[in-house]
Amino acid sequence: RKEVEQDPGPFNVPEGATVAFNCTYSNSASQSFFWYRQDCRKEPKLLMSVYSSGNEDGRFTAQLNRASQYISLLIRDSKLSDSATYLCVVNPMNSGYSTLTFGKGTMLLVSP
Amino acid sequence: NAGVTQTPKFRVLKTGQSMTLLCAQDMNHEYMYWYRQDPGMGLRLIHYSVGEGTTAKGEVPDGYNVSRLKKQNFLLGLESAAPSQTSVYFCASSKPSGMSYEQYFGPGTRLTVT
Repeated sequence: RKEVEQDPGPFNVPEGATVAFNCTYSNSASQSFFWYRQDCRKEPKLLMSVYSSGNEDGRFTAQLNRASQYISLLIRDSKLSDSATYLCVVNPMNSGYSTLTFGKGTMLLVSP
Repeated sequence: NAGVTQTPKFRVLKTGQSMTLLCAQDMNHEYMYWYRQDPGMGLRLIHYSVGEGTTAKGEVPDGYNVSRLKKQNFLLGLESAAPSQTSVYFCASSKPSGMSYEQYFGPGTRLTVT
């Protein structure tokens, strides 16, 4: 099983739609979880951290299920500007808190 | 603040040539990283450093060397470039803070080895 797995997509949705991505991770010792966003030919940027209690930031909601070892990202009222690749990121604890493992990303395309 | 900068932005090398990629950060971060990103492979960690004068191997270190002589700089060297090293290289830095911390990325270097 790969360390972090994501559906590569693309997810094609119309503006205003709600879309959800899931991600699974293999290391049960992982402690920190994140969603990063990467625009085409740009660097990744942190979208949000994922806490055990779940967290919400505007139209974005992230959830963590430790028992099933998966993380989800929900985007409500999709905008054209949400088109990007979303990377699921996990701290694997192989080297303390110093490194992160990135999933290959899920591509989202929002159309008018 | 410039954040994380990378030099150069683009480079074409011939097989066997050497080069050094420079990463600089002005955020006083302790940790710095070099990744490569290839289509269908995602970001893979090459080497990283948890402080000035320290380096450690990541997932794909072969064919690369690194140095962290100054806290703000992290250099990635290719001694004898190979076509398999054609990739986009990202540098990142972070400041450890408890269990959760953010990595800040540079804009990337697009390297082609012919």
